[in-house]
Amino acid sequence: DAKTTQPNSMESNEEEPVHLPCNHSTISGTDYIHWYRQLPSQGPEYVIHGLTSNVNNRMASLAIAEDRKSSTLILHRATLRDAAVYYCILRAFQGAQKLVFGQGTRLTINP
Amino acid sequence: NAGVTQTPKFQVLKTGQSMTLQCAQDMNHNSMYWYRQDPGMGLRLIYYSASEGTTDKGEVPNGYNVSRLNKREFSLRLESAAPSQTSVYFCASSDRPGASYNEQFFGPGTRLTVL
Repeated sequence: DAKTTQPNSMESNEEEPVHLPCNHSTISGTDYIHWYRQLPSQGPEYVIHGLTSNVNNRMASLAIAEDRKSSTLILHRATLRDAAVYYCILRAFQGAQKLVFGQGTRLTINP
Repeated sequence: NAGVTQTPKFQVLKTGQSMTLQCAQDMNHNSMYWYRQDPGMGLRLIYYSASEGTTDKGEVPNGYNVSRLNKREFSLRLESAAPSQTSVYFCASSDRPGASYNEQFFGPGTRLTVL
């Protein structure tokens, strides 16, 4: 599986946008970019995924660079409930049975 | 819908003891997974079952066995627990094995301490 690189930690303020970066310079043409997050003392939960185009859902937006070597998860208006570890994961197109978790980015939200 | 449930929530074992972690899902998913998470680390896959009747090793299978009892249930067994197996264990399930969009749903975890 191709590797991703994320900052260990980030901090933001409540009700402000948060941009969480992820580098994946060895991504292959058929790898999907997935984001999961893990709230304290809980299992991970799916946030969003994309291939080439930017994606939006009720939780977040995913901006993918044109060369696909990096992506950014955007939380438009952070709340205290968004404090979590965010994982950027690459998934192969076929036969992707497992999620390979790195160490992720620990996001702290200040009130 | 309960989603993915795991029992027990907490367990303390002595070295050499055995135990089985239980996992069940009520979403009619085909695939199920067992991960472990050590402090400050991301999750690592132990075993998975792409469909009922099949199981495959993941990244860290040594010291574990699994049983896919039926479509709903996937258990993880530690035959002879070791302190290195102290971890939080997560079970997950997904609907479409092998699909690029393969959202996995996770249970709340079992916190296991081996003394």
